[in-house]
Amino acid sequence: AQKITQTQPGMFVQEKEAVTLDCTYDTSDPSYGLFWYKQPSSGEMIFLIYQGSYDQQNATEGRYSLNFQKARKSANLVISASQLGDSAMYFCAMREGVSGGYNKLIFGAGTRLAVHP
Amino acid sequence: DADVTQTPRNRITKTGKRIMLECSQTKGHDRMYWYRQDPGLGLRLIYYSFDVKDINKGEISDGYSVSRQAQAKFSLSLESAIPNQTALYFCATSDPNRGPNTGELFFGEGSRLTVL
Repeated sequence: AQKITQTQPGMFVQEKEAVTLDCTYDTSDPSYGLFWYKQPSSGEMIFLIYQGSYDQQNATEGRYSLNFQKARKSANLVISASQLGDSAMYFCAMREGVSGGYNKLIFGAGTRLAVHP
Repeated sequence: DADVTQTPRNRITKTGKRIMLECSQTKGHDRMYWYRQDPGLGLRLIYYSFDVKDINKGEISDGYSVSRQAQAKFSLSLESAIPNQTALYFCATSDPNRGPNTGELFFGEGSRLTVL
């Protein structure tokens, strides 16, 4: 079974608008972490934001926020005020178990975001 | 200079050839990983290592081997490359002591391998 599901292969948004990239996950471990990475066309993987399963508040990092709905097992990435430089592939990933172990991350298939001027 | 360095960055090889992808890091992290990326499949874990004496298979280890020569070096080998190993390969490191309950991966720039 898919552990991380990103149902949107591609999305587009107008510059300066907000966009939500969906991510659902599946785990029976009460301790886990959720990550979003950005991969621009140059290929590198850029860490954006992290949410721990016990965190009470949704994570935010600048224009990025993570809409964490634990009961629904969803961890959607919200990008506010989109910029042309946000055009990239975005990956959701999950670490099962507490940090301190192998920290293996399981990745979704990704969503390609295109920001239009 | 990048904290996690992969060589080569691009490689074209032929079916049946042996190829090694090398990874070195200056972050001082114990944990190192090899992932491959394929379109529509995201990143999948090939091998991971806790330290120089610890090597573990990931989700898709068949056809690959690794060597952890030192804390800072982790190499991935394809003993006899085949076309469906054409992919973008990433080395990554992590530090479990980085913040509470994180486990963020730090990636190299990727090695694009084409097997003809």
